[in-house]
Amino acid sequence: DVKVTQSSRYLVKRTGEKVFLECVQDMDHENMFWYRQDPGLGLRLIYFSYDVKMKEKGDIPEGYSVSREKKERFSLILESASTNQTSMYLCASSYPRAYGYTFGSGTRLTVV
Amino acid sequence: KQEVTQIPAALSVPEGENLVLNCSFTDSAIYNLQWFRQDPGKGLTSLLLIQSSQREQTSGRLNASLDKSSGRSTLYIAASQPGDSATYLCAVINTNAGKSTFGDGTTLTVKP
Repeated sequence: DVKVTQSSRYLVKRTGEKVFLECVQDMDHENMFWYRQDPGLGLRLIYFSYDVKMKEKGDIPEGYSVSREKKERFSLILESASTNQTSMYLCASSYPRAYGYTFGSGTRLTVV
Repeated sequence: KQEVTQIPAALSVPEGENLVLNCSFTDSAIYNLQWFRQDPGKGLTSLLLIQSSQREQTSGRLNASLDKSSGRSTLYIAASQPGDSATYLCAVINTNAGKSTFGDGTTLTVKP
């Protein structure tokens, strides 16, 4: 069964900490995405990557960075966590263009 | 810029009813459209993917249609069950790179 695996289901971090969220897919997908989901705001794209070492900013990249050193792994980095980054973070992967997305199970991050 | 709208935002029906969820989009130049289900606190599970050249897709009690010219898709759920209670989101892939625009979802409650 194909999978997108997010390393943590729940995380609690302190303000100012550097936070790493990891996502691994086993489908050999070129594209990988990081979204955050907040009540009333829907899914918002943070960053996406269409190839190894390639990345593109989404709609809300401020305060985040990403790393894709290998095709199967896409990491989201919160350089200095803040309380307004408390959210559900969702990773997805896909082939380009006419294929659908596969999502991970999400990471609920709380910054205190 | 693509906009995706799902109406209604919430829907409550008695068990056994057939129902239709709506998704509309403003730019008909799409590659595909995908319907997802999301349970509270979980990731998104893909239900159906319709390629831009297709008119509909079926899986069990679910049927999704696509009318690009009018910018609309519907998800038909037959003989609804309490286990169908969830939030249903639609997403259109509208760029060559494979980026999607998501609707805000319809939260469905099926009462026993």
